[in-house]
Amino acid sequence: AQSVSQHNHHVILSEAASLELGCNYSYGGTVNLFWYVQYPGQHLQLLLKYFSGDPLVKGIKGFEAEFIKSKFSFNLRKPSVQWSDTAEYFCAVVGGSQGNLIFGKGTKLSVKP
Amino acid sequence: ETGVTQTPRHLVMGMTNKKSLKCEQHLGHNAMYWYKQSAKKPLELMFVYSLEERVENNSVPSRFSPECPNSSHLFLHLHTLQPEDSALYLCASSQEPLGNTEAFFGQGTRLTVV
Repeated sequence: AQSVSQHNHHVILSEAASLELGCNYSYGGTVNLFWYVQYPGQHLQLLLKYFSGDPLVKGIKGFEAEFIKSKFSFNLRKPSVQWSDTAEYFCAVVGGSQGNLIFGKGTKLSVKP
Repeated sequence: ETGVTQTPRHLVMGMTNKKSLKCEQHLGHNAMYWYKQSAKKPLELMFVYSLEERVENNSVPSRFSPECPNSSHLFLHLHTLQPEDSALYLCASSQEPLGNTEAFFGQGTRLTVV
């Protein structure tokens, strides 16, 4: 069965610090990968996605993620975080074209002004 | 606004009550989902409907009963719930197959069982 692991439960950074959130998945076949973000009091929204092609994916608000197939990883990065990035971040995977969207536990990011 | 609307936003119910959660999407999608979001746990996929037919039920207790009368509406009927069922219930929709697109989520219903 598919599963997704997010290594950090809560990350606290100061503004302008660099961010990297880890995500590993377990699925042996073709995968589609997603990062969703949930700002306080708001709905889950898509940050970025990888289906195929360039493994370095650019998303909204300066976020990017790199798919490393050999490591089964899809880590999220941002060079310089802002206070407004405070939110919970969820990595998710769909295994194959007919699979379901499976989420990790989420990582709460708190950015201090 | 995501195009997926859930009502009510908050619900408090007793263990003997019967209530229903409603989800509506205006995106023309043909698949809808119920997820449960509990603290410190991954979002749990509960039910999947594709073209109004249930295609997935991840061993959810029978006290949760989904209904999909058409491709735009999804309900979750609740009865004799337990306190541990308190959580945020999220509805999502997508265009099948999900492997080629993304899911859009509603804001959720915060359920408290007392």
